Amino acid sequence: DGGITQSPKYLFRKEGQNVTLSCEQNLNHDAMYWYRQDPGQGLRLIYYSQIVNDFQKGDIAEGYSVSREKKESFPLTVTSAQKNPTAFYLCASSRGATGTPPLHFGNGTRLTVT
Amino acid sequence: DQQVKQNSPSLSVQEGRISILNCDYTNSMFDYFLWYKKYPAEGPTFLISISSIKDKNEDGRFTVFLNKSAKHLSLHIVPSQPGDSAVYFCAAAEGTGTASKLTFGTGTRLQVTL
Repeated sequence: DGGITQSPKYLFRKEGQNVTLSCEQNLNHDAMYWYRQDPGQGLRLIYYSQIVNDFQKGDIAEGYSVSREKKESFPLTVTSAQKNPTAFYLCASSRGATGTPPLHFGNGTRLTVT
Repeated sequence: DQQVKQNSPSLSVQEGRISILNCDYTNSMFDYFLWYKKYPAEGPTFLISISSIKDKNEDGRFTVFLNKSAKHLSLHIVPSQPGDSAVYFCAAAEGTGTASKLTFGTGTRLQVTL
């Protein structure tokens, strides 16, 4: 079955540590995205990538970094510079960034930083 | 500034009745709208979409209505089923080539009771 795999489902880190969230897709989608969800808020776009080796900042990119070395993979690093890293992180993909295709989401990673 | 608003955080409907979820937007450049459904601890799944050139789109039990002059859209689910209990997110995009620019509402939690 094709889909998006995010791992791990739950992640705990100490403040000041960088942490990398994994996202893999086997849908052969060109575009991939990272969103963050906080209680009572909609999903907010962190970073997106329309093609391998290229990515763009979303609305809340500060304190995050990404890479897109392979079409299937789009890992997100939450750095110590991110002021409020505790959140539910969702990775998504779409066939392309043109024509506004629907996004397909993974099941998310809940990150808790103490 | 919340460009996509879902003013009802929760809604309770009896099984078999109609569920109506509402969404308002402020950005007149939005021209493509989507609804996503989300179960706890899972990623959102695409439900239905509508382009601004239409005022209605129907898919089985789900119908989305768009009122451009009022900047309002609604999702109708009829008949409602217990499996429809979830959080529903409205999302909007402006123009083609902007899947990366989906703006989400804060969600409405639908509870379908027996």
